[in-house]
Amino acid sequence: KQEVTQIPAALSVPEGENLVLNCSFTDSAIYNLQWFRQDPGKGLTSLLLIQSSQREQTSGRLNASLDKSSGRSTLYIAASQPGDSATYLCAVRMDSSYKLIFGSGTRLLVRP
Amino acid sequence: NAGVTQTPKFQVLKTGQSMTLQCAQDMNHNSMYWYRQDPGMGLRLIYYSASEGTTDKGEVPNGYNVSRLNKREFSLRLESAAPSQTSVYFCASSDSQGFLFGYTFGSGTRLTVV
Repeated sequence: KQEVTQIPAALSVPEGENLVLNCSFTDSAIYNLQWFRQDPGKGLTSLLLIQSSQREQTSGRLNASLDKSSGRSTLYIAASQPGDSATYLCAVRMDSSYKLIFGSGTRLLVRP
Repeated sequence: NAGVTQTPKFQVLKTGQSMTLQCAQDMNHNSMYWYRQDPGMGLRLIYYSASEGTTDKGEVPNGYNVSRLNKREFSLRLESAAPSQTSVYFCASSDSQGFLFGYTFGSGTRLTVV
């Protein structure tokens, strides 16, 4: 059974810092991995999608990497801003299933 | 704006009442999904519809029914609401089971059953 873990559960950093959020999964037979952002009381906003054949994807200050063989993905946020404060979720789609399997998220606070 | 629209945004039900959560997408996606989000449990799949005319159970289908009305719309029905169904419900859609562009989520329905 696939399990997705995100560490740390919560993170507080001063504005301007570069930071890394971690996501690990137990079954490497994934089709793709998607990072989402969720603001309090809101829905999920897709940030980046990495196919299993890709190593990384970039969008603005965000860079996500994928190492399928070791079961790890990282989300790198450069020059963090208070507006980046949110919960970040990673989710994997398995080869054999329609469903996304979510991690429990990292709650990020960027202090001014 | 293109995306996934859910109604209502908030709802309070009494135990035993029924209601239908509505979801519509305008991205011409084939697949649609219903998830629930609970503290400490994360997001869990209730039902999904791979394509128009098909529906399948997810992880936590008990107490729910779904209807894929057409390609755009996918509704979730609670026939007899229970306090355990208090949750935030998200509808999502994807192209071809999320192969190319991933999943797009709605803004959620916050349901309280008293």
